[in-house]
Amino acid sequence: KAGVTQTPRYLIKTRGQQVTLSCSPISGHRSVSWYQQTPGQGLQFLFEYFSETQRNKGNFPGRFSGRQFSNSRSEMNVSTLELGDSALYLCASSLTQPGQGAGEQFFGPGTRLTVL
Amino acid sequence: GESVGLHLPTLSVQEGDNSIINCAYSNSASDYFIWYKQESGKGPQFIIDIRSNMDKRQGQRVTVLLNKTVKHLSLQIAATQPGDSAVYFCAENLAEGYSTLTFGKGTMLLVSP
Repeated sequence: KAGVTQTPRYLIKTRGQQVTLSCSPISGHRSVSWYQQTPGQGLQFLFEYFSETQRNKGNFPGRFSGRQFSNSRSEMNVSTLELGDSALYLCASSLTQPGQGAGEQFFGPGTRLTVL
Repeated sequence: GESVGLHLPTLSVQEGDNSIINCAYSNSASDYFIWYKQESGKGPQFIIDIRSNMDKRQGQRVTVLLNKTVKHLSLQIAATQPGDSAVYFCAENLAEGYSTLTFGKGTMLLVSP
């Protein structure tokens, strides 16, 4: 079974631009979460989606948004990029459903975003 | 590859030694905990998990210990191998029905042959 895939793997943008990152979860997984990883802040939660609904959101500005499609694939968008948005963006999927509590989450390789 | 973190606590061991990586978690209401391994240029890889109704769980060469009294989690790796060199993160989940994980800062494990 294929793992979580993320595209693109690397991206270079300039300040003020916007970017869209894509995540395809493991087949059958309907829960998708996004995390930002930086050397200074570590891994920080961005969003959690289940069945096209955003269930939880981390403490990030409104420039960060996301969505999930009916096939469970997810995208996240960052508008008006800032230098501090340079990070590794990780997507994770799991089989768990709302109300079941947390379970094993499988991470993709991430998208390395560099903002110049 | 690219580093996943700078100035991380580092544990250096010899091949064959047992390693113990510690983590202090933040929320006494957390009920699920996971250890992840992250190699350079890759996403975190699941190692082992434990729920708050347990204090110990064993996997292949790994053991996780949970001490809820002091909010402490540890990962023990037996007979550490050079392939175990990576950054290790503990993560916790609150009992709120979400899958959201809160990660620790990570520990870099360096295994010398």
